[in-house]
Amino acid sequence: AQSVTQLDSQVPVFEEAPVELRCNYSSSVSVYLFWYVQYPNQGLQLLLKYLSGSTLVKGINGFEAEFNKSQTSFHLRKPSVHISDTAEYFCAVSADNQGGKLIFGQGTELSVKP
Amino acid sequence: DAEITQSPRHKITETGRQVTLACHQTWNHNNMFWYRQDLGHGLRLIHYSYGVQDTNKGEVSDGYSVSRSNTEDLPLTLESAASSQTSVYFCASSGTSVSDTQYFGPGTRLTVL
Repeated sequence: AQSVTQLDSQVPVFEEAPVELRCNYSSSVSVYLFWYVQYPNQGLQLLLKYLSGSTLVKGINGFEAEFNKSQTSFHLRKPSVHISDTAEYFCAVSADNQGGKLIFGQGTELSVKP
Repeated sequence: DAEITQSPRHKITETGRQVTLACHQTWNHNNMFWYRQDLGHGLRLIHYSYGVQDTNKGEVSDGYSVSRSNTEDLPLTLESAASSQTSVYFCASSGTSVSDTQYFGPGTRLTVL
């Protein structure tokens, strides 16, 4: 079975600063990894996903994530955040033996302050 | 544009009542999922379906049921609502590949008094 741990429940950061949201996973098989964003009172929206190939994945809104198989991590980064990036971020994992089901981490609340 | 909608967006009900939450998608996706979102737990899978007449239990299925009579809809029913079912419920749909993106609805906030 797979599991996902997001290491920070809350991340406060000032506008224009860089940010990293950490995600570790566990799995005995090859995985697919996703980052979703949830703005207040909205559903989840895909930021980016890793399926195979290049370990650096670029997504929407200037976000990117790096898949590290040896450390079983998939950390999300942005070099300069905006107030509008304030949201909840979820890391999720799927695998070939999961039939498309996603297992989510607990979420990280990113709060960007002016 | 294709979309996934949920109704109602907000619902208040009493303990013991039956409640049905609607989910409708126009993506023509075979896969549909129901999740609940609670603070500190992220999203947890309740039920899912891979096509018409197919339904499966997820991680937290007790007290919930679903039915799939067509491709577009997957209603979620709480047979006898309990206060522990107060939560935000999200419906999602995806294509049939295990790596396909899941697209989420806007959510339904359910309060059970």
